[in-house]
Order: sequence, then C-alpha cells, then structure tokens
Amino acid sequence: TQLLEQSPQFLSIQEGENLTVYCNSSSVFSSLQWYRQEPGEGPVLLVTVVTGGEVKKLKRLTFQFGDARKDSSLHITAAQPGDTGLYLCAGGLNTGNQFYFGTGTSLTVIP
Amino acid sequence: DTGVSQNPRHKITKRGQNVTFRCDPISEHNRLYWYRQTLGQGPEFLTYFQNEAQLEKSRLLSDRFSAERPKGSFSTLEIQRTEQGDSAMYLCASSAHEGRNTEAFFGQGTRLTVV
Repeated sequence: TQLLEQSPQFLSIQEGENLTVYCNSSSVFSSLQWYRQEPGEGPVLLVTVVTGGEVKKLKRLTFQFGDARKDSSLHITAAQPGDTGLYLCAGGLNTGNQFYFGTGTSLTVIP
Repeated sequence: DTGVSQNPRHKITKRGQNVTFRCDPISEHNRLYWYRQTLGQGPEFLTYFQNEAQLEKSRLLSDRFSAERPKGSFSTLEIQRTEQGDSAMYLCASSAHEGRNTEAFFGQGTRLTVV
C-alpha cells in the first residue's frame, strides 16, 4: 500500500487554466515536500511545508499543508507549457527514517 | 557545492553483467537515500544511510543489490547479475535532517538499460 496517494494521476489542461493536485495520507508527516521532475532528470525540490495549516506561494504555485499534517495540495494558477512535468509529494514521518513518495501526478499543459 | 552528483548518467549493460553506480551527496548531509524509478511512476525506496550506517533496506533490494557508504560521504550501489527487470532510473538523494524538516535533494539519476 502507498503511504501517500496523489490525485489526479494524469492531468492534461490548456494553457491559462488553473489546476489543483492533491496529496493525501492517513499518517502524520513531520514535513512534506513537493518536487517537479522532467523526463530523464531527477526530482527538483519546489517547496517544503512544516507547520500544519501552512500556506506557501512560489510565483503561480500555492502549496498548502493540512492542519493535521496528513495532506497537502498544490495549486497552479494560469498554467503554462513550462509547468509540464511529473509532480511528486514526499515526506518523512515523525518516527522512522524513510522518506516516502507519493504516486505522482503527470501534468501536461497544452499551448 | 554543486548539489548531489551521480555517475554515470546512463549505463547500458548486457543481462548477467554487474554494474556499479556512484553518488556524491551534498557535503555535510548525513543522510543518503537510494531510490528506483520506472517511467511515469514515483520513486521507490531502496535503502537509506545515516552517515556510514545502512539503517533501512526495502524488500525491493534483493540479494543481487548491495549498497555501501564506507566513509559516510559518497555511496555506491552495485547490482550483480543484472536482469532486464532492473532497467530503471536509479536516484540518489541526501538530506541534513534538521528538526522536523526532512527535505531531500536529488541527483540527476543514473538511467540503467539491461539488454
């Protein structure tokens, strides 16, 4: 079973549209990260959220950490073709050492 | 420091051969992770080091896989008697693990193709 579930798995939208990607778990995470990955490359860290209820903005991207630190969302405003990629959430639990990844959301923004 | 470095970037090998990958983490990062990723999927955890100690191994890490981090700096991942199912991107990440912040930084990966 996957500790972090992302939805949707695939998303294809027109340039200029808005979208939200969700990352959900039944476990409490000490912190949660969002990454973007392009084909053939390693994941690139976008943001880290640590405090429950925290909201962080990175230009057109808004990240939110759930109050209970079990879920997170990524909202992109006015998507651009350069936003195309695989978006991954990941995090570590309060106990244990493993760094868990979500199932991934493949985003395609059509010009 | 230029971030996490992985070598080689690409490796093509014949089935049955042994391969070894290297990862140089961000200096002073005490944690190092290895992941395997297939196309369109999220990375799957393989193993984890804190300094030189290998603290956790996934069930995905069969007897043909071995990882080391002898001096607590760089790490190697060896796959013996490679199989076609081993074809994947192998990713290395490192983190400093300060407080509750567990953010990890990734290398560019090593793409393995077993023919």
